[in-house]
Amino acid sequence: SQQGEEDPQALSIQEGENATMNCSYKTSINNLQWYRQNSGRGLVHLILIRSNEREKHSGRLRVTLDTSKKSSSLLITASRAADTASYFCATVGVGAGSYQLTFGKGTKLSVIP
Amino acid sequence: SQTIHQWPATLVQPVGSPLSLECTVEGTSNPNLYWYRQAAGRGLQLLFYSVGIGQISSEVPQNLSASRPQDRQFILSSKKLLLSDSGFYLCAWSEGGGIDTQYFGPGTRLTVL
Repeated sequence: SQQGEEDPQALSIQEGENATMNCSYKTSINNLQWYRQNSGRGLVHLILIRSNEREKHSGRLRVTLDTSKKSSSLLITASRAADTASYFCATVGVGAGSYQLTFGKGTKLSVIP
Repeated sequence: SQTIHQWPATLVQPVGSPLSLECTVEGTSNPNLYWYRQAAGRGLQLLFYSVGIGQISSEVPQNLSASRPQDRQFILSSKKLLLSDSGFYLCAWSEGGGIDTQYFGPGTRLTVL
């Protein structure tokens, strides 16, 4: 079953603008990850945030995590046309044998030059 | 550095035919290995994962099976394909002993006619 639910499903912005995508989940997590998928390609890991962290940065990416609200956001600043892709959040549960990443359905981001 | 390969890249098969998709990882030992399926416009569904040779866990009951004959080889099979088996199949690996980042292969596009 889907754990993460991204919002919005699709987002279209102009180059240079910031893009914000949200993810909500249902059960307690060990960590939450964001991945990017270009059309017809495999997924690329962007950033991982652990349950005891609240914010993390990587280049133009900023991820926040609010475990009390069971939600996360991914902010891409100063977007570029090359950022056009689908973005997925994925969660790892807690407990023994937590080998699974549970993915949401993704946000399709279009950055218009 | 580690690399992950999948083949074939695309495959068109008739209903009822067998299937064998192969995934190999280079540059690491004793990885966790995963098979996912992504239907059009959907998130990823975990099909199988393996924490060691001969150890396969199935997440979704279906007519697919997986095998891990060698440490860095993961095979997805079916004896008789169904139309509903069409999709994008992704193999991934992560470091053994737990789960952090997963690294994805380029995927196989399977069309069952």
